[in-house]
Amino acid sequence: QKEVEQNSGPLSVPEGAIASLNCTYSDRGSQSFFWYRQYSGKSPELIMFIYSNGDKEDGRFTAQLNKASQYVSLLIRDSQPSDSATYLCAAAGNKLTFGGGTRVLVKP
Amino acid sequence: KAGVTQTPRYLIKTRGQQVTLSCSPISGHRSVSWYQQTPGQGLQFLFEYFSETQRNKGNFPGRFSGRQFSNSRSEMNVSTLELGDSALYLCASSLSLGDTEAFFGQGTRLTVV
Repeated sequence: QKEVEQNSGPLSVPEGAIASLNCTYSDRGSQSFFWYRQYSGKSPELIMFIYSNGDKEDGRFTAQLNKASQYVSLLIRDSQPSDSATYLCAAAGNKLTFGGGTRVLVKP
Repeated sequence: KAGVTQTPRYLIKTRGQQVTLSCSPISGHRSVSWYQQTPGQGLQFLFEYFSETQRNKGNFPGRFSGRQFSNSRSEMNVSTLELGDSALYLCASSLSLGDTEAFFGQGTRLTVV
């Protein structure tokens, strides 16, 4: 079992809709969680991080963390074609462990 | 403020050769981590350096090594290259050890033929 699991997708959403991405982790010692966006051929770009249970909003992005269920999610509101990318979830203990990523496709 | 700089951007090597990749972190950042990214395995952690010392190591063979200099710049070396070492090698910098808000460089695309 991988330490951080994500559905590989592709997750296809119409423009203007909400994209919902999920991530589960196995290490209960993980303290913080990160979402990175990676465009094809580019390096990962940090878009959000969350440490505490609950929701954290930043612009069109909302991260949700439930440590009891070992579950992290990312919501992208008003999805735009420019949001089409692979989204990587990462859990931090003494190092960052990445999931395999979810490919998101926003269709105009 | 300059970002993380990795050189070279692209590299083609033949099997059996060795290669050295370089990473200059964001100014003021003292921790540098290296990752290998392949389509099949995703992003895999290689090692992390802080204050010129390796602090964490992933599950890679001893052919993969690294070091960090006093100015926080880091290099990684792969010896006796294999075809399977073809990958995007990413360096990430963060302020300090345990500060996992990491920022990635553009990566070095290594092709082994």
